[in-house]
This record gives sequence, C-alpha cells and structure tokens, in this order.
Amino acid sequence: DTEVTQTPKHLVMGMTNKKSLKCEQHMGHRAMYWYKQKAKKPPELMFVYSYEKLSINESVPSRFSPECPNSSLLNLHLHALQPEDSALYLCASSQEGLAGEVAKNIQYFGAGTRLSVL
Amino acid sequence: QKEVEQNSGPLSVPEGAIASLNCTYSDRGSQSFFWYRQYSGKSPELIMFIYSNGDKEDGRFTAQLNKASQYVSLLIRDSQPSDSATYLCAVNQAGRRALTFGSGTRLQVQP
Repeated sequence: DTEVTQTPKHLVMGMTNKKSLKCEQHMGHRAMYWYKQKAKKPPELMFVYSYEKLSINESVPSRFSPECPNSSLLNLHLHALQPEDSALYLCASSQEGLAGEVAKNIQYFGAGTRLSVL
Repeated sequence: QKEVEQNSGPLSVPEGAIASLNCTYSDRGSQSFFWYRQYSGKSPELIMFIYSNGDKEDGRFTAQLNKASQYVSLLIRDSQPSDSATYLCAVNQAGRRALTFGSGTRLQVQP
C-alpha cells in the first residue's frame, strides 16, 4: 500500500479564515513533506519533517504553520492567507534513507488539496 | 541556470511512436533521479527512478542516465493516448533530502 491520504480535496477560504490541511500515511514512513504547486509549475518544497521534527523550512511565510502530531500525520495550518496562496498543496512521504539508499528516498504523493483564497 | 531543466513542450508524438523526454541538472553531486507523471489536476505519480549510469527498463519505459553529461532521459515506447500528461524530472541533490523538480514536459500522444 503506497497511499498518502489528504483532506479536504478542495478548500475555499477567505483571507481572515483559519483552516487546516491534513495528511495521513500508514506506510511507516518517517519523512513527510509539504509542497505547493501553482498551475503549470512544478511542485515547490515548503517543509520537511523527519522523525516528527521539522528539518527543512524553505523560508515559507508564517501564515503557513506545519505540525506533525505523530509519525503518521502531518498538518498544515493556514491563517490570513492571500489570494496568491491559491494553489494545489501536496503532501508526500518517504522512508528515511541515507543518501545512497535510493529506494528509501522515493517520495509518494497524496492527491492534494486544491486551495482557493478569496 | 535552473537546477533541473526540462523543455516545457508540448511534445507531440503519434500513437505507437517513441516519446523521448529529456532533463539536465546542474548539481554534479546529485545522486538519484526520478521521473514522475502528472495528469492535469492530479498529483505526481512515480514512473521510474535511476541512480547508475546507463539504461534502466521497466515495461514500455526506459530511463537513461549520463552523469558525465549531467543528463537523464525517459523513453516511452509504443506511446498511447493515455500517456498524455506532464512528465516531471526530479533530482535528489547531494546532502538534501527533498527532491528538486524540473518544470515538466507536457506530452501529447495523438491517436
């Protein structure tokens, strides 16, 4: 089973709202990722969690706040977003391998949450 | 120079032909390379990965890696209309856990 589940699939929010995106995997993966993808662009890394600790923050604005409550769950809390934050938000997970352990570093993506900020 | 470069396309091939998708990368220390397929509005789906120079075949797909030229390609034999999608090249750079994606090549297979 290589399933990463994201909820909700679609989200519309106003600029003053607070909402959360959720991601879940039961593959025993210890690395989890948030990516943002705009139309006709590649995914852009936002955050990486390794063993439930934040290991990479790609200078993401503070209106995006990640949380990893346990090894299976990853949340992205949203507050005071801007219309330009509208995008597809992708969660991914992988095993935690060394640099040469390619198979362990394969990232599996969820279906994404399509976010519209009005 | 972008870290991972792909021709955005669209690359148009007739059904049954070989589609050739190319990717170059700038970090010579990059160690592993991935091809993802992404249908419009959907999430990326892993097609193949490769980490040794040469060819790696899986069904109709062949990945080719040339580290000296910093070049990786994906060949799709007997292309089908269902192969029409954007193909993303992703690179695992040395010392960096996350993947760096190219901008993707849009493939159109004409029936």
